[in-house]
Amino acid sequence: AQSVTQPDIHITVSEGASLELRCNYSYGATPYLFWYVQSPGQGLQLLLKYFSGDTLVQGIKGFEAEFKRSQSSFNLRKPSVHWSDAAEYFCAVNSNMLTFGGGTRLMVKP
Amino acid sequence: SQTIHQWPATLVQPVGSPLSLECTVEGTSNPNLYWYRQAAGRGLQLLFYSVGIGQISSEVPQNLSASRPQDRQFILSSKKLLLSDSGFYLCAWSVQGGADTQYFGPGTRLTVL
Repeated sequence: AQSVTQPDIHITVSEGASLELRCNYSYGATPYLFWYVQSPGQGLQLLLKYFSGDTLVQGIKGFEAEFKRSQSSFNLRKPSVHWSDAAEYFCAVNSNMLTFGGGTRLMVKP
Repeated sequence: SQTIHQWPATLVQPVGSPLSLECTVEGTSNPNLYWYRQAAGRGLQLLFYSVGIGQISSEVPQNLSASRPQDRQFILSSKKLLLSDSGFYLCAWSVQGGADTQYFGPGTRLTVL
């Protein structure tokens, strides 16, 4: 069965600092991979997705993620965090059904 | 473009009362539809999904049921709410067939007292 692990439950970064959110998945083949963001009390918004091809994918709001097959990882990055990026971030894998990680809550210090 | 709506946005209900949450999708035909629950401090749990009118698959046995009376309408129901039904309910849709992207609605916050 597929599974997704987000090792960091909470992360705090200073505004303007770089960000990396970790995601590891377990799946036999190459899965479809997603990152979603959820602001408090809101639904999930798709940031980016990887299906095939270039392993570095660009998303909205200046985010990018890199698929590394050898490490079974799909980490999310942003070079400079803005206060509005404070939210919860979910990594997900989809082979037949969408399986979510537990989420990482990002806090941004001024 | 496609949009997904959920109604109501917030709901407070007493234990033992019935429930009906509605989800509608615009701008697409024959979508896959999904209901998820997000309990406080926890991740997302898939409750039901539907590949067509009247076709419902349940992922987790529980106090809830789902129906799809129209192509772009998905309803989550309960005859008698439990305290444990409290949570944030999210509806999502995807294109039919394959492991495609799911797009989420704004959610309904349900509090059972």
